[in-house]
Amino acid sequence: QVQLQESGPGLVKPSQTLSLTCTVSGGSISSGTFYWNWIRQHPGRGLEYIGYIHYSGSSFYSPSLKSRLTISLDTSKKQFHLKLISVTAADTAIYYCARAPQFRGGLDAFDVWGQGTMVTVSS
Amino acid sequence: SYDLTQPPSVSVSPGQTASITCSGSELGNKFACWYQQKPGQSPVLIIYQDNKRPSGVPERFSGSNSGNTATLTISGTQAMDEADYYCQAWDSSTAVFGGGTKLAVL
Repeated sequence: QVQLQESGPGLVKPSQTLSLTCTVSGGSISSGTFYWNWIRQHPGRGLEYIGYIHYSGSSFYSPSLKSRLTISLDTSKKQFHLKLISVTAADTAIYYCARAPQFRGGLDAFDVWGQGTMVTVSS
Repeated sequence: SYDLTQPPSVSVSPGQTASITCSGSELGNKFACWYQQKPGQSPVLIIYQDNKRPSGVPERFSGSNSGNTATLTISGTQAMDEADYYCQAWDSSTAVFGGGTKLAVL
């Protein structure tokens, strides 16, 4: 049973960099069958898609975050990472990592989610 | 940008059928999926590819998608089904989520 676990600081100062890690257990991160994603949820709000990375190296970033965002993959550690620079209070949210199977040349639904990690941007 | 619209809230009596809609332009030409999220928990996939249920999801959950509307139907709703429900579809490599519907089982 594949499990995902987010980790990272719960508090980040404005203008600094938010770095999160998602560790994959119980399965391979190197399978080309899956895409590895980040999604966030502002407090009391809905879900917002951040982006994905694939084993092949392909990635996609939400246009609204693209200028500040990097998603990377470390297959040796079975981890993928999110880095968001120049954060503001608007980046305060629960951050989830999630897996999406490949489907018809694109992505299917998010079938496995991490438990989420709350990140607060505040001085 | 592509938008998906859900009603903010739906109420249902225990044992009755609840229907939650998700509207988007030509949504029927895409695949829709649904997630259930209970307070303090991560979302859980309950319907994918319009009408398929992942292993372990009760049969009372079903989905359909046609025209501009996808629908999640919960038959014989139970108190444990009280939660937020989100629809989602892919548009140009972006996952688009509906705003979510709070299901109250009264």
